[in-house]
Amino acid sequence: QKEVEQDPGPLSVPEGAIVSLNCTYSNSAFQYFMWYRQYSRKGPELLMYTYSSGNKEDGRFTAQVDKSSKYISLFIRDSQPSDSATYLCAMMGSAGTASKLTFGTGTRLQVTL
Amino acid sequence: EAGVAQSPRYKIIEKRQSVAFWCNPISGHATLYWYQQILGQGPKLLIQFQNNGVVDDSQLPKDRFSAERLKGVDSTLKIQPAKLEDSAVYLCASSPPLDRTKQYFGPGTRLTVT
Repeated sequence: QKEVEQDPGPLSVPEGAIVSLNCTYSNSAFQYFMWYRQYSRKGPELLMYTYSSGNKEDGRFTAQVDKSSKYISLFIRDSQPSDSATYLCAMMGSAGTASKLTFGTGTRLQVTL
Repeated sequence: EAGVAQSPRYKIIEKRQSVAFWCNPISGHATLYWYQQILGQGPKLLIQFQNNGVVDDSQLPKDRFSAERLKGVDSTLKIQPAKLEDSAVYLCASSPPLDRTKQYFGPGTRLTVT
C-alpha cells in the first residue's frame, strides 16, 4: 500500500465548475499538507500549504485536511482553462522517515471552454 | 527573485552511458533536494543536502547515482552507468532556512535512456 493515494484522473470539467481533488494517506506522522500544481514540462509549484487539520482559503482555492480520516482535499471554484494542469498532493512529518516530502501520483485536470 | 535553475533541460543517452545534471538553487536557500519523477508518478526524493552536507540519501541508488554540493550552493547529480529505468524527469528543489515545508522546484531535466 502506498503512503499517499491519489486518483490519477484525468478529470475533465467545464469552465466555471467547482473542482474537488482528493488524497488519502496512511502515515499518521504526517503533519504538513501541501498541494502543488504542475504544468506540462514544468516543475511543481507550491499552491497551498496547511498545517494539521482544518481549512485554508486562498482566492479560488480551498484546502481541507481531516487528520482523523487521513483525507485531504483541494477545491477550485470558478475553474478556468488556465487551471488545466496536474495537481499533486504532498505531505511530511516532523522527524524520522516522515520528514521528507511524500507525493501522491497527481491528478490531471482539464478545464474545457 | 530568480528561481531554481537546472541544466540541461533535455538529455538523450544510451544505456550504460553516463550523464550529469546541474542545479543552482534560489539564493540563500541552504537546503537542496534532488527528486526523480517517473512518468505518471509523483516526485520521489533521491537526496537532500543541508549546505554541503548530506541529510538524507536513503533512496539514492548509490551503485550508479552520485551527487555533490560543493561550497553549499550549486549541485550536480550523476548517473553512471545509466539504465533504461532511469528515464525520468530529474527535479531540483530548494527551501529557505528553517522551513522545509516550502520547497521551490526548478523546471527539471528530462532524461531519456535508449
